[in-house]
Amino acid sequence: NAGVTQTPKFRILKIGQSMTLQCTQDMNHNYMYWYRQDPGMGLKLIYYSVGAGITDKGEVPNGYNVSRSTTEDFPLRLELAAPSQTSVYFCASRPLGGDREQFFGPGTRLTVL
Amino acid sequence: AQRVTQPEKLLSVFKGAPVELKCNYSYSGSPELFWYVQYSRQRLQLLLRHISRESIKGFTADLNKGETSFHLKKPFAQEEDSAMYYCALNWDQGGKLIFGQGTELSVKP
Repeated sequence: NAGVTQTPKFRILKIGQSMTLQCTQDMNHNYMYWYRQDPGMGLKLIYYSVGAGITDKGEVPNGYNVSRSTTEDFPLRLELAAPSQTSVYFCASRPLGGDREQFFGPGTRLTVL
Repeated sequence: AQRVTQPEKLLSVFKGAPVELKCNYSYSGSPELFWYVQYSRQRLQLLLRHISRESIKGFTADLNKGETSFHLKKPFAQEEDSAMYYCALNWDQGGKLIFGQGTELSVKP
């Protein structure tokens, strides 16, 4: 199992550009999450999903959109990139039930100039 | 509102010394707490959870509801323990986590 994979690893965007951060998991997990981590700060939840077709906002959703058309994929969309979105983005997943351990991807480092 | 605080950004100790990474939380319900660790160039991974009361890599953490704390301890630090440590609070059935700011542990030889 590859676990949780994220692409790209790094990206530089210009202000106003758009992009999609990809996240895929091969563990058949129901729950998936997107976090951002700013320098010196903890992770903050952007969006989450409890299953295909169901998504909801987290703590810092402004400027982002998500979709969950399959169990495996949970892409994060930035429509109009702003410097405030410069951050490291982590995707995570966990199975239904169990002990609520989340499994994380390696992260995407995004810079908006 | 729920909150997790890790007061130390950096903790530096010598090999063999005891280690305590502090975590305090604010939550009106019954807390479910975790410690996650990120070693250099590796992804974030679970270290331990308070429910299982287990010891992983010599680390333990006890939930103290009176002091609203979940400090991580190890009696004898090793160089391979050097990493970023995050305390996290699970606050709903959907598994949403609130993370502390993280503490960088540096164990010197």
